[in-house]
Amino acid sequence: DTAVSQTPKYLVTQMGNDKSIKCEQNLGHDTMYWYKQDSKKFLKIMFSYNNKELIINETVPNRFSPKSPDKAHLNLHINSLELGDSAVYFCASSQDEWRRETQYFGPGTRLLVL
Amino acid sequence: GQSLEQPSEVTAVEGAIVQINCTYQTSGFYGLSWYQQHDGGAPTFLSYNGLDGLEETGRFSSFLSRSDSYGYLLLQELQMKDSASYFCAVKFRDDKIIFGKGTRLHILP
Repeated sequence: DTAVSQTPKYLVTQMGNDKSIKCEQNLGHDTMYWYKQDSKKFLKIMFSYNNKELIINETVPNRFSPKSPDKAHLNLHINSLELGDSAVYFCASSQDEWRRETQYFGPGTRLLVL
Repeated sequence: GQSLEQPSEVTAVEGAIVQINCTYQTSGFYGLSWYQQHDGGAPTFLSYNGLDGLEETGRFSSFLSRSDSYGYLLLQELQMKDSASYFCAVKFRDDKIIFGKGTRLHILP
């Protein structure tokens, strides 16, 4: 069984379009995250949700909006895509136990904006 | 500001031991985590240090010294499949998370 899944795996689109990436976790974790990994492999957190509430917003452009219909899902919607949005987007989840931080990552969505 | 520093690349020989360092300019975090990422893959959790000292998990060990503001990941009996990028990461009490920029490990036969 896949622990953290994302769809789609690849996304090629034109500048200015709006797109969504979906994420689901079946681990029963309370917290989910979205990360952006650029071409230099730098991993940067974008958002995290804990029990459907946003607890971190790393000052990403407001064109990016996370949406969590329930604890097991955290989707990422992107408006007016720009060339610089091209990257790999990873969803992750975690369950803090005694403050131990272990994150489980999805396979990633490779976004290419033309 | 808060940052984690890692060497960008490290090269080692198959069967040898390699240490990947992570130094930080920050405080107030719960602990130091390590993740492995193969090309085209997702990061996967390797090890966590909540307290100072050494944590051992098979061929991988990780160490943290808060007084010296650094930690390291130690990989023993290197195998070709260990060729990957390795990231250190910390989570703060306000739930903010930062990753180091990653260390690319090259293993020579």
